[in-house]
Amino acid sequence: RKEVEQDPGPFNVPEGATVAFNCTYSNSASQSFFWYRQDCRKEPKLLMSVYSSGNEDGRFTAQLNRASQYISLLIRDSKLSDSATYLCVVDSGTYKYIFGTGTRLKVLA
Amino acid sequence: DTGVSQDPRHKITKRGQNVTFRCDPISEHNRLYWYRQTLGQGPEFLTYFQNEAQLEKSRLLSDRFSAERPKGSFSTLEIQRTEQGDSAMYLCASSLGGGPSQETQYFGPGTRLLVL
Repeated sequence: RKEVEQDPGPFNVPEGATVAFNCTYSNSASQSFFWYRQDCRKEPKLLMSVYSSGNEDGRFTAQLNRASQYISLLIRDSKLSDSATYLCVVDSGTYKYIFGTGTRLKVLA
Repeated sequence: DTGVSQDPRHKITKRGQNVTFRCDPISEHNRLYWYRQTLGQGPEFLTYFQNEAQLEKSRLLSDRFSAERPKGSFSTLEIQRTEQGDSAMYLCASSLGGGPSQETQYFGPGTRLLVL
């Protein structure tokens, strides 16, 4: 089993739709969780950290489920500019971080 | 610009040659990471430094790869005797590293390596 798994997609959704991504992780000792966004041929950029209590930033909501070992990202009211690859990142129990393969999102006009 | 910088941005080399990449982290960031990314994959961990100490190195990193961070500031990644399979984007990231709330990694633009 991979340490961090994501559905690679692509997810093709119309503008204004709500879309959700899940990411599962295998190390129960993991403490830090992040979602990064990566545009084509660009470097990853932090979208949001994921806290135990869940957190929201505008149209984006991140949740952590420790019991089932997954994190989720919900995007509401999708915009064309949300089209990108969304990377799930989990620490390995140390300060080494494992990235998922990414989920591609394409928002269609 | 006070972000992470990497040099060069692109490198084309012939198989068997040595290449060296440089990364300048955000000032005062203690941790520095190197990743490799190929098409359709997420960044793959290579190694990381806490100040000048190299604390972990991926098992996937062969002996042809070496990284240094001699004064705890900039870092270099060298690949000796390059192979075509080394072609990838090499990403550097840095973080403050002062505790759980300071683990956010900021990435440089990457060095794209093509081995012919």
